[in-house]
Amino acid sequence: NAGVTQTPKFQVLKTGQSMTLQCAQDMNHNSMYWYRQDPGMGLRLIYYSASEGTTDKGEVPNGYNVSRLNKREFSLRLESAAPSQTSVYFCASSENTDRTTYNEQFFGPGTRLTVL
Amino acid sequence: KNEVEQSPQNLTAQEGEFITINCSYSVGISALHWLQQHPGGGIVSLFMLSSGKKKHGRLIATINIQEKHSSLHITASHPRDSAVYICAVRPGTYKYIFGTGTRLKVLA
Repeated sequence: NAGVTQTPKFQVLKTGQSMTLQCAQDMNHNSMYWYRQDPGMGLRLIYYSASEGTTDKGEVPNGYNVSRLNKREFSLRLESAAPSQTSVYFCASSENTDRTTYNEQFFGPGTRLTVL
Repeated sequence: KNEVEQSPQNLTAQEGEFITINCSYSVGISALHWLQQHPGGGIVSLFMLSSGKKKHGRLIATINIQEKHSSLHITASHPRDSAVYICAVRPGTYKYIFGTGTRLKVLA
């Protein structure tokens, strides 16, 4: 099992360009997440999908869109990249059979994005 | 005030020292998760615990759900333990709340 995979690993964009970050998990998990990690800020939730067919905003959704393509895949799109979106992006998944039972999260290797 | 607080934020230790990292939270939870991130690296799971203590090698995690506090201990620390350690909780929603992490540096 590959776990959680992300592509690309590195990306440099110019301001205004668009791109999609891809994430896939092979653990049959229900919930998937996109986070960004900036120095000194910890992990901040951009969007999440509690289950296939649903998506919800996290704490920093502005400038991003997501698609839960199927149970395996959850993509993050930057429509018009800005330098403030320079960050490391992590995708994660969790079994989450219900709202209250705690299930650990499994993280992808991350995507380092630089917007010039 | 953050819902999940970690202390200390930064920690430098000499090789062989016993290390303690603390995590306090203000929300009701059923379990807590400790994660490790090496410099420039991915995030890996260390422990998930809901009561008592768990041990894996030189790492020990404890939790007191009633007191809303967990600790991560590293015995006989080694330079390869240098990493950021993060605690996370999920308080009855699908969203996880993370501490800002404790940056540990172990000197040889």
